[in-house]
This record gives sequence, C-alpha cells and structure tokens, in this order.
Amino acid sequence: AQSVTQPDIHITVSEGASLELRCNYSYGATPYLFWYVQSPGQGLQLLLKYFSGDTLVQGIKGFEAEFKRSQSSFNLRKPSVHWSDAAEYFCAVEYNYGQNFVFGPGTRLSVLP
Amino acid sequence: DTAVSQTPKYLVTQMGNDKSIKCEQNLGHDTMYWYKQDSKKFLKIMFSYNNKELIINETVPNRFSPKSPDKAHLNLHINSLELGDSAVYFCASSDTSSGLYNEQFFGPGTRLTVL
Repeated sequence: AQSVTQPDIHITVSEGASLELRCNYSYGATPYLFWYVQSPGQGLQLLLKYFSGDTLVQGIKGFEAEFKRSQSSFNLRKPSVHWSDAAEYFCAVEYNYGQNFVFGPGTRLSVLP
Repeated sequence: DTAVSQTPKYLVTQMGNDKSIKCEQNLGHDTMYWYKQDSKKFLKIMFSYNNKELIINETVPNRFSPKSPDKAHLNLHINSLELGDSAVYFCASSDTSSGLYNEQFFGPGTRLTVL
C-alpha cells in the first residue's frame, strides 16, 4: 500500500537558520509529490509539487524540494527560516489520477527568535 | 472570492445528534474530497467524488455520508455522532479531468466537537 513517512515529528530551528524536512514515500509507479503547509487554525496551502522533469522544484515562500528516486525521498528545504514559517508541514503523494491522496503524519516546525 | 469554502467553521453538538457540514468550490473542479484530521494532526481521506460519483470510501463508518447536489458542492452528513468523531474536517477539490495530476485546494476546515 502507498505510504508517506515524515521521520521528524517536531523540529526547532533558530530564525535565519537553514531548514530541511524529510519525506519518504512508498509507491510502485512514478510518484506525484506535494508539500503542504498548515498554519495554526488554518487549512492547507500548497508549497510546491513534483510531477516530472527537473528533480529540484521551487515553491512559494522561498521553499524548494528535491526528488530522489533512488532514496524514495522528497525533502523540503529553505536556506533561511523566518518566524512566520512556524507551522505544520505535510508531505503527500497522489495516485490514480487524483482519486486518492496519502498524506504523511506531518512535521511541526517551531522557530526560535 | 474564496476558492473552497466550508460552513460552519465550528460545530459543537451532543452525542447521538445528526449534523451536516457544507462545502462549496468555485474553481470549476471535477473532483471533491473530505478529509478528517485528528488531534495528532494526522490527515486521512474519507471520500472523493468525481462528477457526482463516489469513487473512494476509505473504511469510513456508514454514519458518514457525502452528498453532492452538483459539481460545485460536496456536503458531509454525519448521523448518530460519537465522541470519536471530534476532529477537524477538511473539504478539498482538484481538477482531474485532464488525466494529469493536480494539486488539491483545501477549505479552511470545520472543527467538530462532540460532547
């Protein structure tokens, strides 16, 4: 069965520091991968997505993610974190042409001033 | 000009009651979804509807029933509410008509509390 893991439940970084959030997936075919962010009390907002092509994808708010097929990973990165980035981050895989999505358990990001 | 809207935002009710949550999207998408997010923030898909046909039902109790009066709406009806139904419910929509993969657009969520 398809699955998505995010090994880090909670990460704390200082403002201005770099960030990497890990995501691993299990899916037999070509994965279609997403990162979403959820601010407290809010819905989910798409940060970026990977369908095909360049394995390094750029998203909103200065985020990027790299798809590595050999490692079944799609890690999210940001070179310099801002206090407003504190939120919950979800990695997701889509399959069956939009008929199903599987989300990872989420990683909560805290940012120290 | 909200893309995906849900009402109500908060819903507090007693065990055993029947309630509904409404969802509307103005994006012209052909597929809509309902998700449940539990207290640990885990998101699980409950239903998806494509052109008014249910195409997924992920072992959700039959007390939950999605109803789609038209392509822009997917309402969630819950009968005989239980304590364990307390969660945040998210509606989402996606354009799957092209056969390509597309991201989902989420509503703001409905926080359901069952007392």
